[in-house]
Amino acid sequence: GESVGLHLPTLSVQEGDNSIINCAYSNSASDYFIWYKQESGKGPQFIIDIRSNMDKRQGQRVTVLLNKTVKHLSLQIAATQPGDSAVYFCAETLNNNNDMRFGAGTRLTVKP
Amino acid sequence: DAGVTQSPTHLIKTRGQQVTLRCSPKSGHDTVSWYQQALGQGPQFIFQYYEEEERQRGNFPDRFSGHQYPNYSSELNVNALLLGDSALYLCASSPGTRSGNTIYFGEGSWLTVV
Repeated sequence: GESVGLHLPTLSVQEGDNSIINCAYSNSASDYFIWYKQESGKGPQFIIDIRSNMDKRQGQRVTVLLNKTVKHLSLQIAATQPGDSAVYFCAETLNNNNDMRFGAGTRLTVKP
Repeated sequence: DAGVTQSPTHLIKTRGQQVTLRCSPKSGHDTVSWYQQALGQGPQFIFQYYEEEERQRGNFPDRFSGHQYPNYSSELNVNALLLGDSALYLCASSPGTRSGNTIYFGEGSWLTVV
C-alpha cells in the first residue's frame, strides 16, 4: 500500500457552514466508491456511496460528486455540525469486487 | 440486530509472539474482510473470506493468515509479530463479495507489539 505520513490533511469549518472534502483516487478502472467517517477510537462508518456510471448522488445532508476524467471524488456536507468532526476516508473498488482501497483521509474539525 | 463485533478490543504482545483476533459479522452477512490501519493512515486491505475460503488478498506477507467458520465468523492470525504490526485491525462484513453492497466495519482490535 501507499506510504502516508502521520499528518492528515485537515479542514476546519465553522458550525453551520458547508464542508467539501476532496479525494483523488488511484485507478481509472475503479467501479464503485464509498465515503466513510471515522471518529477517534472507532471503526469507519459508512456515509454514502456512488457507482462509476453516476456523477452525483445525494443523501441526508451529504452529496458525493464523481469526476472520472480527473479521477476525483468529493464529499459535500451541508450545514456542518460539531458531531461531523472526524476523519473522512474515500475508498474505491475494482472489478466488481468489494475489497476496498482507501485514501489517506482528511480530518474535519467543526468550530462551534 | 448486532453489527460487526470484534474481540479483543485491546491487546499487547511481545515481538515474535503470535496473535489471534476474532470477528463476528453482521447478521445476514456471509463475507468477512480484514484491514490493518496504522496510526494516521487509511485502512489497508489484508484479505477477504467467503464460503470459508480466502478469496482476495492484499499485499501482506504469509505471516498473516485467516480462517472463516461455517457460521461466517472469522479469525485473523499473525505469526512472528514485528513492532510494525502494531495497528488497529478492522473487520468488515458484507452480503457477498460484489461491490455495491454496503460494507460494515467493527470497532476494531488495537494491537500493540512491544
